[in-house]
Amino acid sequence: EVQLLESGGGLVQRGGSLRLSCAASGFTFSTYAMNWVRQAPGKGLEWVSVISGTGGSANYADSVKGRFTISRDNSKNTLYLEMNSLRVEDTAVYYCAKSSHEMIMFGGCFDSWGQGSLVTVSS
Amino acid sequence: DIQMTQSPSSLSASVGDRVSITCQAGHDISKYLNWYQLKPGKAPELLISGTTKLETGVPSRFSGSGSGTDFTFTISSLQSEDIATYYCQQYHDLPWTFGQGTKVEIK
Repeated sequence: EVQLLESGGGLVQRGGSLRLSCAASGFTFSTYAMNWVRQAPGKGLEWVSVISGTGGSANYADSVKGRFTISRDNSKNTLYLEMNSLRVEDTAVYYCAKSSHEMIMFGGCFDSWGQGSLVTVSS
Repeated sequence: DIQMTQSPSSLSASVGDRVSITCQAGHDISKYLNWYQLKPGKAPELLISGTTKLETGVPSRFSGSGSGTDFTFTISSLQSEDIATYYCQQYHDLPWTFGQGTKVEIK
């Protein structure tokens, strides 16, 4: 059974930094692209970032480009999201989501999700 | 970015009713369209991929149709456990984008 467990969320001041982690189990982690998707309070889902199975390529939403960095450690089956220069509008539940394919270009189906980690950015 | 316009934003129906949600893409996305279910406190779930493919374990009362720019998600007979918010999502182009969501309630 696929399991994705996010951690690292919390309260941070505007301009601050935070690193989210997602521990994966139940599948061969290195053979699937992985994503971060967020949901701001009372809002819909927003895709944030994707990284290929090897970690060699990544893409970002314009709203986080240059501030957030996605990475993965395939030896630890763990996905990360380093968030810098945080803004109040980054406040959201951040979900880790597994793609159905290793490559980003085929990775747009999110077939397993974690329960999310809440990030709150205060002004 | 491809804008996804989903409607209605909410609906209320009785158990056993047929319920439909529409999703319109800003431009042709062929059949690169998924549907997700979100319930409070639970991990989101992929229900339908590639417009029509029902994911393993998903009840057959859920279905999807469409192509190009116009898509429909249908629950053939609404059950109490279907209370949730449903989202469409295109994966034709990065950035992958979602509709605004449809909250389904029981009347």
